[in-house]
Amino acid sequence: DQQVKQNSPSLSVQEGRISILNCDYTNSMFDYFLWYKKYPAEGPTFLISISSIKDKNEDGRFTVFLNKSAKHLSLHIVPSQPGDSAVYFCAASAITSKLTFGTGTRLQVTL
Amino acid sequence: DVKVTQSSRYLVKRTGEKVFLECVQDMDHENMFWYRQDPGLGLRLIYFSYDVKMKEKGDIPEGYSVSREKKERFSLILESASTNQTSMYLCATSTGAPPLKQYFGPGTRLTVT
Repeated sequence: DQQVKQNSPSLSVQEGRISILNCDYTNSMFDYFLWYKKYPAEGPTFLISISSIKDKNEDGRFTVFLNKSAKHLSLHIVPSQPGDSAVYFCAASAITSKLTFGTGTRLQVTL
Repeated sequence: DVKVTQSSRYLVKRTGEKVFLECVQDMDHENMFWYRQDPGLGLRLIYFSYDVKMKEKGDIPEGYSVSREKKERFSLILESASTNQTSMYLCATSTGAPPLKQYFGPGTRLTVT
């Protein structure tokens, strides 16, 4: 039972444009949501998080939006840069410090 | 800066061998985790530990065991490696405090032949 879903396995965006990565979840008990970025042959690195009491969190070029009624979150990257090309994972937690990860979306930023 | 190290970047083992993967962290974090990453399946939790000598099963514990004798060290053990355990193994640590950020090691690419 996949509680956190990333339905787009891949996404291609031109440099300078906006990248929007989506994530859906089914467990209404999730109270923290996080985005991680992963380059090949490296461990994932934390990007940005949001608490369930907020609907938006911004950090530089990265903004995460949370729609609790739709059980949907999205990561916006603007402007996209070639160095943003990586696999992005969303993750969620319900009270405990255990995270449930999605399957990932591979973002390619083209010149 | 949190540092999480894993004993090997690449490992090749034969079917039936006992395999040890070690993870060491230098930030005094309470929580440690072992995941495997496979294409199309994302990161799946194998085992985690909230404290020394404590362990809890994750989503896919079958065929694996763990050991946490010291706070900074968390070992993953494959008692009898099988080809379906060929994967990227990732260790992570966290304080357990919101926003529950986990810090990952570089990963071990294990191939079982």
